[in-house]
Amino acid sequence: KQEVTQIPAALSVPEGENLVLNCSFTDSAIYNLQWFRQDPGKGLTSLLLIQSSQREQTSGRLNASLDKSSGRSTLYIAASQPGDSATYLCAVRVKNYGQNFVFGPGTRLSVLP
Amino acid sequence: EAGVTQFPSHSVIEKGQTVTLRCDPISGHDNLYWYRRVMGKEIKFLLHFVKESKQDESGMPNNRFLAERTGGTYSTLKVQPAELEDSGVYFCASSQSRGQGYYEQYFGPGTRLTVT
Repeated sequence: KQEVTQIPAALSVPEGENLVLNCSFTDSAIYNLQWFRQDPGKGLTSLLLIQSSQREQTSGRLNASLDKSSGRSTLYIAASQPGDSATYLCAVRVKNYGQNFVFGPGTRLSVLP
Repeated sequence: EAGVTQFPSHSVIEKGQTVTLRCDPISGHDNLYWYRRVMGKEIKFLLHFVKESKQDESGMPNNRFLAERTGGTYSTLKVQPAELEDSGVYFCASSQSRGQGYYEQYFGPGTRLTVT
């Protein structure tokens, strides 16, 4: 059974810092991994999608890497801003259990001005 | 292009009542998924439609939950009768369909269900 964990559970940083969020998964048989952000009371906003054959994806100040063999992904946020404050979720699209996502518990990020 | 929409945004019902949640996927997306997050837990998969057919309903918690997608467009998720533990946020997502699982899922804003 696929399990996804995220470290840290919460993170508070001053504005301008670079930071890394971690995601680990137990079964490497995945189609892809997707990073989302969720603002309080809102839905999920897709940030980056990495296919299983890819090593990384970049969008603006965000860079996500994927090491499928070790079951890890990182989300790097450069020059953090208060507007980046949100909960960040990673989810893996599993091969062995259908086409659904298995989500991690999330990392709650606070960027202080 | 309109995103995934869900209705209502919030529903408060009493235990034993019935509630129906609706999801309108992005136009042209054959795949439609339901997920939910109960308090303090991870978002969990409920079921997956391909057009009007249920591809995978392994995440449905019990037979009090009934999902339909008539005509392969919008979907409804009915909870009857609702129990306290059904409280949470119900998300719908949709994606294109070509190949196995390669396409990005787009999520709706969710419906917050409170059962009292």
